[in-house]
Amino acid sequence: ELKVEQNPLFLSMQEGKNYTIYCNYSTTSDRLYWYRQDPGKSLESLFVLLSNGAVKQEGRLMASLDTKARLSTLHITAAVHDLSATYFCAVNTLSKLTFGTGTRLQVTL
Amino acid sequence: ETGVTQSPTHLIKTRGQQVTLRCSSQSGHNTVSWYQQALGQGPQFIFQYYREEENGRGNFPPRFSGLQFPNYSSELNVNALELDDSALYLCASSFFLGTDYGYTFGSGTRLTVV
Repeated sequence: ELKVEQNPLFLSMQEGKNYTIYCNYSTTSDRLYWYRQDPGKSLESLFVLLSNGAVKQEGRLMASLDTKARLSTLHITAAVHDLSATYFCAVNTLSKLTFGTGTRLQVTL
Repeated sequence: ETGVTQSPTHLIKTRGQQVTLRCSSQSGHNTVSWYQQALGQGPQFIFQYYREEENGRGNFPPRFSGLQFPNYSSELNVNALELDDSALYLCASSFFLGTDYGYTFGSGTRLTVV
């Protein structure tokens, strides 16, 4: 059974600081997605990573995928309060997404 | 292009009742997946429909059933509701099996079973 683990589960960051969220998964897949979820809201797609070595950037967020290590990272540069949310990685296998546990990010002034 | 729309947004049901949730997929998408998200957890895959046929199912009992219609919209039906069925139900649409283009999620239906 595929397992997807994220760490940390909770991250309190100061504005302006950098940090990385890690997503490890237990079986081969070359399709990985990152989503953002605000409290009580749905999932907003951030990145679709389709191949080994893929790197995508949007604003202060950058995601990468290493399929050999079964690891994806979401790097946050110079955090701002608007980034406070829960972030999920999800691995696609056999037509379904398996989500990680989520990382709740809180950016403080 | 229109996004994924779900109805209703909120619903309160009594244990033992039945419920139907609805989803209209994004224009151009032919695959619909349903997920259950309990409070404080990640979404869990219920099932997927492609061309009106079930195309994969997660670890959910048969009282969770679904349909996909020719216009690619979908329904999720849950019979004999239990308290643990209280959750946010998310519908996601995609083109084909969603691999290269990702999945677009609807705003969800918050189901409370009392």
